[in-house]
Order: sequence, then C-alpha cells, then structure tokens
Amino acid sequence: EVQLLESGGDLVQPGGSLRLSCAASGFTFSNYAMSWVRQAPGKGLEWVSAISGGGAAIYDADSVKGRFTISRDNSKNALYLQMSSLRAADTAVYYCAKDRKYNYGWGFDSWGQGTLVAVSS
Amino acid sequence: QSVLAQPPSVSAAPGQKVTISCSGSSSNVANNYVSWYQHLPGTAPKLLIYEDDKRPSGIPDRFSGSKSGTSAALGITGLQTGDEADYYCGTWDNILSTWVFGGGTNLTV
Repeated sequence: EVQLLESGGDLVQPGGSLRLSCAASGFTFSNYAMSWVRQAPGKGLEWVSAISGGGAAIYDADSVKGRFTISRDNSKNALYLQMSSLRAADTAVYYCAKDRKYNYGWGFDSWGQGTLVAVSS
Repeated sequence: QSVLAQPPSVSAAPGQKVTISCSGSSSNVANNYVSWYQHLPGTAPKLLIYEDDKRPSGIPDRFSGSKSGTSAALGITGLQTGDEADYYCGTWDNILSTWVFGGGTNLTV
C-alpha cells in the first residue's frame, strides 16, 4: 500500500523559511515523479513544484519560482520542499503527491494527508 | 482565475446523475490527458479518473470520464450522500509547461 506522510508544517513569520518533508513507502520511490500541491484556506488545489523520478528535471509554479526548492533523496524515500521568503499568500495545506509515471505531467495517483503552513506575524 | 474552468457548484438528489464539466484550450485539455480528483476537506485527495476515461482499481463504475475537443466531463450516477465533496479536473499545459487544476466543483447530494 502506498503511503505518503508529510511533516514540517508550522506557523512562520513573513519572510521566514521552512522545510517540508514527505516520507514515502509502499512503492519504488525512484521510479516515479513527485509533486507538492497546496490548498489555501477557502481556495482550490494549486500545483506548486514537481521533480522527476531521478531528480534531474524540476518544475516550479511561477508563484513560488525563486523562493521554493523541491528535492528528493531516493536512498531515503523522501521528498522535500525548502520554502523561503514566505508570504501570507503561501498559507495553505501542502500535500505530497505521487505522479503516475517517472516523468512529471501524468496526474497523481496517491496523496498524503497534508501539512499546514501558516505565514503570519 | 483558473486555466481550466469548472462550475463552482452542482447539486442533485440521491440516486440521480450529475455531470461536472471542465473547459480548457488546445494547449491543455485538447492535447493532453485529463484526470479527475475527489477531495473532502481535511483528507487526502483521491484519483477518480486518469487518461480521460480510465478508472483506477477500486473506483466504482458509477464514476466515468469523457472528453471532446477542449472540454472534459466527469459523470457520477447513482448519487450517494457520501459523494458530497469537491471535484477537480487537472491536466498538463503545453504553453505554461506546468500542471494545471480546474477551480473545483462542490457537489451537494
């Protein structure tokens, strides 16, 4: 059974930094692209960042480009999101999502429960 | 303003059928596979349909997907109160070079 468990969400001040983690199990982690998707309060789903199975290809939404960095450690079956220069608009539940294939862009067949990031002074 | 347009809400009585539309363009829906997700607040979203019209194992055949040109649709028959949730379409956009979601549709049964 595929399991994705996010952690690292917290209350942080504007301009601050945070690192999210996603522990994966139940599948061959390195064979699949992974993404972060977020949902702000009262809003819909918004894709944030994606990384290919081997980590060579990375894609970011314009809203986070230059501030967020996605990475993965296939030896630890772990996905990360380093977030910096955080803004109030980044307040959201962040979900880790498994792509259907090695390369990104085929949809997400498993999701974690999410971790809450709140940006406020 | 989402790249993919969905109605904000739909409603139908238990046992009836509902269709949720997803309107895009030639850079996304028309030339890439569409998938559909069910999301109850506070829970993990669930994949319902992938590659326009395929159902993952475990998804009942009450759920169906279709696509024609720049529009896709999710059909749900035999509605149950447990189907009340938000539904999202999603696909790749060739111009943006990113994944895009629709704005979501809230289903009331």
